[in-house]
Amino acid sequence: GQNIDQPTEMTATEGAIVQINCTYQTSGFNGLFWYQQHAGEAPTFLSYNVLDGLEEKGRFSSFLSRSKGYSYLLLKELQMKDSASYLCAVRERTGGFKTIFGAGTRLFVKA
Amino acid sequence: DGGITQSPKYLFRKEGQNVTLSCEQNLNHDAMYWYRQDPGQGLRLIYYSQIVNDFQKGDIAEGYSVSREKKESFPLTVTSAQKNPTAFYLCASSSQGAGGNTIYFGEGSWLTVV
Repeated sequence: GQNIDQPTEMTATEGAIVQINCTYQTSGFNGLFWYQQHAGEAPTFLSYNVLDGLEEKGRFSSFLSRSKGYSYLLLKELQMKDSASYLCAVRERTGGFKTIFGAGTRLFVKA
Repeated sequence: DGGITQSPKYLFRKEGQNVTLSCEQNLNHDAMYWYRQDPGQGLRLIYYSQIVNDFQKGDIAEGYSVSREKKESFPLTVTSAQKNPTAFYLCASSSQGAGGNTIYFGEGSWLTVV
C-alpha cells in the first residue's frame, strides 16, 4: 500500500517563496505528481517527477528524491490567486498503474 | 474539444436509493478512475480501470460499483449500501504505459443525500 504525508495548512505572504513538502512510502514507484485545487473545483496538473532532481516550470518547481521518498513543490513570487490546496500524488505500478493522492496542503497567501 | 465529461454536476439522492454518475472521455485514454473527496480532505480512490471490461477496487470501494463496457465510459453507481455518500466525486483518466502520464480530471459531481 501507499502512505503519503504532507502538511495540512501553510500560510505565506504575497511575493514570498513557499515550499510544500511531501513524503511517501510505496512499492513500485512510477512517478510523483503535484496538483493545484481551488475550492469546489477539479484538480489541475502542475508538475511531474519520475527521476531525481528539480523540475522548473515558471514560478513553480518540483523536486524529487526517490531514495528518501521525498518531494517538494516550490512556489515563487506568491500571488493571492495561489491560495489553494496542493495535492501530492504518487503513481504506483501494481500490475497496471494507479495513482494515490495525499490529503493535500491548504495554502493561504496573505497580503 | 477533448476532455472528460461528468454528469450530472449536482445530484440529490434519497436514502435507500441507488444513483449513477456518468463519466465519458474522448481522450482515447486506457485508464479511468473514480475518486471521492470530502470537504477539506484529499482524494480517495474508489475504483479504477486499466482496460475495457476490467476494473479494480481502490481504497474505499465498499458501497460503490462500476462498469467498463466501453473505453470511453466509466459510470459509477453509488448504492444504498454506501451509508455516507454525500461528497464531491471526481472522474479522471490517463493513458497507460511506463512513461509518466498525467491524470486529467472531469469537473466533478456533487452528490447530496436528502
